[in-house]
Amino acid sequence: AQSVTQPDIHITVSEGASLELRCNYSYGATPYLFWYVQSPGQGLQLLLKYFSGDTLVQGIKGFEAEFKRSQSSFNLRKPSVHWSDAAEYFCAVGDQGGSEKLVFGKGTKLTVNP
Amino acid sequence: GAVVSQHPSRVICKSGTSVKIECRSLDFQATTMFWYRQFPKQSLMLMATSNEGSKATYEQGVEKDKFLINHASLTLSTLTVTSAHPEDSSFYICSAREAGGRNTQYFGPGTRLTVL
Repeated sequence: AQSVTQPDIHITVSEGASLELRCNYSYGATPYLFWYVQSPGQGLQLLLKYFSGDTLVQGIKGFEAEFKRSQSSFNLRKPSVHWSDAAEYFCAVGDQGGSEKLVFGKGTKLTVNP
Repeated sequence: GAVVSQHPSRVICKSGTSVKIECRSLDFQATTMFWYRQFPKQSLMLMATSNEGSKATYEQGVEKDKFLINHASLTLSTLTVTSAHPEDSSFYICSAREAGGRNTQYFGPGTRLTVL
């Protein structure tokens, strides 16, 4: 069965600092991979996704993620964090086999200090 | 593009009543919609997968008679919580996958249900 691990429950960074959120997945083949962001009391917004091809994926709001098959990882990065980036971030894996379901990690809460 | 709406955004009801939540894809057709439940400070739990024109597929442990799902059109799915109890209080989020799209789900803003 698919699973997603986000090792960091809570991360605090200073505004302007770089950011990396970790995501590891367990899946038998190459999965579809996603990062979503959720502000308090809101739904999820898609930041970026990986299906195939270039392993470095660019997303919205200056985020990028790199798929590393050898490490079963899909870490999210941003070179310079803004205060508005404070939110909950979820990594998710989708089944290429056609079930269409997403399996989510438990999320990482990002706090940005001024 | 790819906007999903939910209505209502917030509902408070008495125990024993039923509540209907609507999920609409505003600018695309969605053959498949998903219903999730999210407890405070936790991740999303998939409740069911809703396909237009057919019965929903429920995840293990989710009572289909309690959480009625209808996907009557390519832009609308509804979740009805029947005979709601306080333990049903939660944040319910829907998502929609575009017809012909590659397994990308777009999420609604969520509905906060409080059962008194």
